[in-house]
Amino acid sequence: DIVMTQSPDSLAVSLGERATINCKSSQSVLYSSNNKNYLAWYQQKPGQPPKLLIYWASTRESGVPDRFSGSGSGTDFTLTISSLQAEDVAVYYCQQYYSTLSITFGQGTRLEIK
Amino acid sequence: EVQLVQSGAEVKKPGESLKISCKGSGYSFTSYWIGWVRQMPGKGLEWMGIIYPGDSDTRYSPSFQGQVTISADKSISTAYLQWSSLKASDTAMYYCVRPYGSGSYYSWFDPWGQGTLVTVSS
Repeated sequence: DIVMTQSPDSLAVSLGERATINCKSSQSVLYSSNNKNYLAWYQQKPGQPPKLLIYWASTRESGVPDRFSGSGSGTDFTLTISSLQAEDVAVYYCQQYYSTLSITFGQGTRLEIK
Repeated sequence: EVQLVQSGAEVKKPGESLKISCKGSGYSFTSYWIGWVRQMPGKGLEWMGIIYPGDSDTRYSPSFQGQVTISADKSISTAYLQWSSLKASDTAMYYCVRPYGSGSYYSWFDPWGQGTLVTVSS
């Protein structure tokens, strides 16, 4: 399995400030034939299913506010919230879909307001 | 609108069997893989496996192979996750998911079902 490790496990950020969540894969999720990173990000609020934010590591899903952005390549990725809003309090997960043997998620990062 | 609607919460005893369902609508059910994700209480997301309803091709995560059975009835656009003998450790929320693109399951998941809470307790 490709192991996805997120850091930190939790963080507290002031409203209006930048939040940064990292995700590291145990092997590259960059597919050389199409130069795409097989990496997605989700947001999960209490009592709700996860919601897709980002795919191909940096493509924002339609309707997702532009304060959310994804970056990185190969094994190291970042989800950035440029200006934290109260409604962004949630748990965030990265997911690799490179391996056809088993799709795997990071352990999650809990984001709170400071 | 593409939707996945799951069956309701279940409370079962250890050793009992269970089959939960996920009905797809708003798309060609036989052209897209449909899978299952487990979330144990207070924990993260675990991909369990996936089925292609068009030909019933099924893939399992090594962690769940032999522990559950995934099936589908394309005549009613419904996928299933079943257990033959539940354990307390099967207590979790289970989500059905659809990969974005048709024909391939190595993709991001969108949409997700609303979840089915399974509680196993004596």
